Amino acid sequence: EVHLLESGGDLVQPGGSLRLSCAASGFTFSNSAMNWGRQAPGKGLEWVSGIRADDGSTYYADSVRGRFTISRDNSKNTVYLQMNSLTAEDTAVYYCAKEGLVFWGHGTLVTVSS
Amino acid sequence: QAGLTQPPSVSRGLRQTATLTCTGNRYNVDDQGATWLQHHQGHPPKLLSYRNNSRPSGIAERFSASRSGSTASLTITGLQPEDEADYYCAAWDSSLSGWVFGGGTKLTVL
Repeated sequence: EVHLLESGGDLVQPGGSLRLSCAASGFTFSNSAMNWGRQAPGKGLEWVSGIRADDGSTYYADSVRGRFTISRDNSKNTVYLQMNSLTAEDTAVYYCAKEGLVFWGHGTLVTVSS
Repeated sequence: QAGLTQPPSVSRGLRQTATLTCTGNRYNVDDQGATWLQHHQGHPPKLLSYRNNSRPSGIAERFSASRSGSTASLTITGLQPEDEADYYCAAWDSSLSGWVFGGGTKLTVL
């Protein structure tokens, strides 16, 4: 059974940093691209970033490019999202999702506020 | 990031049929097909259909997807109270090298 467990969400001040983790199980993680998405309060789902399985290529939404960095550790079956220069607009539930958006975790809440 | 276009809300009666639409362009829906997700607040998004007509195991046959050019559709027949949720379409955009989402359609079952 596929399982994705996000962690690392917290309250952080504007301009601060946070690293999210997503631990995966139930499938061959090293063969799967992974993604991060988010949903801000009262807003719709938004794709944030993705990382390929084969060559580790990374992709970002315009709204986070240059501030967020996605990475993966296949030995730990974990994908990360390093978030820097956070603003109030980054406040959201952050989800990790398996390749093709076919399976999503329950999410972790990031709140950016002073 | 340019997104896909979905109607904000749709209302239908119990046991009726609802068709939700999603409009993109030649770089996303027309090129890559659309993925449909069902989202109940407080729960993770759930895949209903990927690459248009592929329905994952465990998803009721009441949910079916199709595409005509740059417009994708999700049809839900025999509406049930538990179908009341937000529905999102998404597609990989080859020009942006990223996923684009629709704004979501809130389905109300009357």
